[in-house]
Amino acid sequence: ETGVTQTPRHLVMGMTNKKSLKCEQHLGHNAMYWYKQSAKKPLELMFVYSLEERVENNSVPSRFSPECPNSSHLFLHLHTLQPEDSALYLCASSQEIGPSGTDTQYFGPGTRLTVL
Amino acid sequence: AQSVTQLGSHVSVSEGALVLLRCNYSSSVPPYLFWYVQYPNQGLQLLLKYTTGATLVKGINGFEAEFKKSETSFHLTKPSAHMSDAAEYFCAVRPFYNQGGKLIFGQGTELSVKP
Repeated sequence: ETGVTQTPRHLVMGMTNKKSLKCEQHLGHNAMYWYKQSAKKPLELMFVYSLEERVENNSVPSRFSPECPNSSHLFLHLHTLQPEDSALYLCASSQEIGPSGTDTQYFGPGTRLTVL
Repeated sequence: AQSVTQLGSHVSVSEGALVLLRCNYSSSVPPYLFWYVQYPNQGLQLLLKYTTGATLVKGINGFEAEFKKSETSFHLTKPSAHMSDAAEYFCAVRPFYNQGGKLIFGQGTELSVKP
């Protein structure tokens, strides 16, 4: 595997279910990100992790819970979601998050989530 | 707050024609600027980026963009469109002083290429 991978690619869940999205990066990067992409809206940054520490939580509801056990893996735990949470969830990674401008983000293919 | 505006949610060109996708940003300090492309059912792929130095930036697949500080713009161009260029294109900025790696994206422009 190369780059950034995400599983599952598609997920359908009810509002009372608990599920998790997984992201893995094979680039040796130190930073990882979760984004939400809804139809006809700009990508929204949800969380940023650097060296397994959360450095940004962009006012995301608590029904979304991220976990970063190591620098290669990032999870997004989902529970009690709403239909409006249906979207494409994208994971990304970068070498660093410093101000150097070299922190290009590399994206995975996304998980298409549908909440019924 | 910083913002990114992409003029036109949908652009259609003929194969072989010039591609011009517009991006303007609002910032008192020039940010770092990016263009990403998203093909159907795929994630975002970096086309090119501007950080410092030469204002005309060349990217992959024959695309280039020019940073114009006076116009706060970073328009994406390609001299001759190919059918394989049909995709959605996103302009993004990263504030110069941002420590958290946050990218601010435009709403995207869908490019269609007619034969």
